[in-house]
Amino acid sequence: GQSLEQPSEVTAVEGAIVQINCTYQTSGFYGLSWYQQHDGGAPTFLSYNGLDGLEETGRFSSFLSRSDSYGYLLLQELQMKDSASYFCAVRDHPYSGAGSYQLTFGKGTKLSVIP
Amino acid sequence: EAQVTQNPRYLITVTGKKLTVTCSQNMNHEYMSWYRQDPGLGLRQIYYSMNVEVTDKGDVPEGYKVSRKEKRNFPLILESPSPNQTSLYFCASSTLAGAGTDTQYFGPGTRLTVL
Repeated sequence: GQSLEQPSEVTAVEGAIVQINCTYQTSGFYGLSWYQQHDGGAPTFLSYNGLDGLEETGRFSSFLSRSDSYGYLLLQELQMKDSASYFCAVRDHPYSGAGSYQLTFGKGTKLSVIP
Repeated sequence: EAQVTQNPRYLITVTGKKLTVTCSQNMNHEYMSWYRQDPGLGLRQIYYSMNVEVTDKGDVPEGYKVSRKEKRNFPLILESPSPNQTSLYFCASSTLAGAGTDTQYFGPGTRLTVL
């Protein structure tokens, strides 16, 4: 089985930096993804880490350490519109070859950005 | 426009009355999946499909059926809905050629209430 842990809620001030952590326990590991979901909306893809290190996309960065089974999403220069839920997700196997191709999501972190 | 569509968006039904939620994507994606989202539980995968006529169970398949007769469509069938299937449902799709990424494209969601 697979399990992912992330904080349930985080509050941060507009303009600040916030880090949302995700630890995982999986039978296999292929990659860690991050999704954003605004209230009433659908999840949208933010970032992906297949290898250790930092991936940067504008104000958002994501980090992965496979040896620690740990990753984080870093949001810089927070804006009010960043208030949303953020989910980490793990696939346990690449698409090629035999194995499960399940995608498992964490329970989500609700980020509140305050003025 | 590349998109995943779901219908209906909202549905109220009664226990035991069979229903189908449709999902269609226009991106020629091989991988499609269904999730349910409940407060505090995040997104849980119900079923997924690697390609036409290839489906497999996710984490919470009980009470659901799926079929993949065409590449673009992946309907979710509840043969005898029960109140514990009241939830927000999302369909998603992605390509399998995802070396270096794993982007899931989500539909807008279907809010189902079973009385």
